Amino acid sequence: AQSVTQLGSHVSVSEGALVLLRCNYSSSVPPYLFWYVQYPNQGLQLLLKYTSAATLVKGINGFEAEFKKSETSFHLTKPSAHMSDAAEYFCAVSDLGNEKLTFGTGTRLTIIP
Amino acid sequence: DVKVTQSSRYLVKRTGEKVFLECVQDMDHENMFWYRQDPGLGLRLIYFSYDVKMKEKGDIPEGYSVSREKKERFSLILESASTNQTSMYLCASSLGAGDKKYNEQFFGPGTRLTVL
Repeated sequence: AQSVTQLGSHVSVSEGALVLLRCNYSSSVPPYLFWYVQYPNQGLQLLLKYTSAATLVKGINGFEAEFKKSETSFHLTKPSAHMSDAAEYFCAVSDLGNEKLTFGTGTRLTIIP
Repeated sequence: DVKVTQSSRYLVKRTGEKVFLECVQDMDHENMFWYRQDPGLGLRLIYFSYDVKMKEKGDIPEGYSVSREKKERFSLILESASTNQTSMYLCASSLGAGDKKYNEQFFGPGTRLTVL
């Protein structure tokens, strides 16, 4: 069975600092991995996805994530945080032929002015 | 762009009422999903549908049912609402079929349901 662990339910960073949100997965087959963002009172929006092409994936709003098979990780980073990045972030995993996604419990990102 | 719409952003119902949450997608997607979102628990799958009139239970189907009579519309039904069903409900759709390998889901804005 697939599972996703997001370390840290709350992360605070200063404006301009590095953002690092952690995601570890377990999957018995090569996975597909996703990061979604949810702004207050909105649905989820796709930030980026890993689909077994390049291991470093670039997404929207300056975010990127690196797939590391040896560490079963897919951490999300952004070099310089902006106030507009304040939101909740979800990591999700699926595998080929599986229509469903398994989501992590989310990380709420707060940006300190 | 894919658009997924949900019938209400906020809904207040009383215990025991029958509640319908409607979801419509405009991109001819095969798959549709209903999740509930609660603080600290992330998204939990209630039901999903991979075709008209087809449905499959998710992780937490108890107390819910669904209906998919048309491809673009997927309804979540609470037969007798209870206070523990107060939550944010999110609908999503994915292409399925030819694009099954990526499984990217597109989400609606959510319905915040309060059961008193």
